[in-house]
Amino acid sequence: QSVLTQPPSASGTPGQRVIISCSGSSSNIGSNTVNWYQHLPGTAPKLLIYSDNRRPSGVPDRFSGSKSGTSASLAISGPQSEDEADYYCAAWDDSLNGGVFGGGTRLTVL
Amino acid sequence: EVQLVESGGGLVKPGGSLRLSCKASGFTLRDHSMNWVRQVPGKGLEWVSSISASDTYIYYAESVRGRFTISRDNAENSVYLQMSSLMVEDTAVYYCARRHEGSSWLIDYWGQGTLVTVSS
Repeated sequence: QSVLTQPPSASGTPGQRVIISCSGSSSNIGSNTVNWYQHLPGTAPKLLIYSDNRRPSGVPDRFSGSKSGTSASLAISGPQSEDEADYYCAAWDDSLNGGVFGGGTRLTVL
Repeated sequence: EVQLVESGGGLVKPGGSLRLSCKASGFTLRDHSMNWVRQVPGKGLEWVSSISASDTYIYYAESVRGRFTISRDNAENSVYLQMSSLMVEDTAVYYCARRHEGSSWLIDYWGQGTLVTVSS
């Protein structure tokens, strides 16, 4: 059971906006910033969003992040076929004194 | 270009030991905390351990504490994970990952991973 809770799957068409949620607690999301990663099987995970809502250079602006209280969200506006991957939220947990990840959400582009 | 290359994975029997290595290049290793993160086949990512840039702070996930030891050799640009008393549940791809130094915990670069299989 992951400390951060994500839906196992999400889907959308290129004309839609897909939102992936990430729920935590006061000891992780509530007191630390959230990062999001994109992971294709057999490859190294890629940093997508950091510090809740910031995009590293090179990440398309159709990806955005937000946070409120103990929950965070990743939005993909107009997903493309190349966005089909697993997405993970992550944060530091002050109670566990360790990093915690969500269980991952597999995105399917219809 | 930042590169992290893991090695040392393989097949080991339950109760056995294995040492993973991570060779870093393209940046100054001594300026960064480092992490190990694993992924059990078909499951999500799980943080395993972190070591600070100066070795001062070391953390472990509850699932590996007392069995795994993280270490680093900045002169060799390498980070290690010594794994002992291995269990079937430790079967996973193990990733070496760099922390972006700042006020928050942020992994910015990952290696390609090395597969550890624990089976009799």
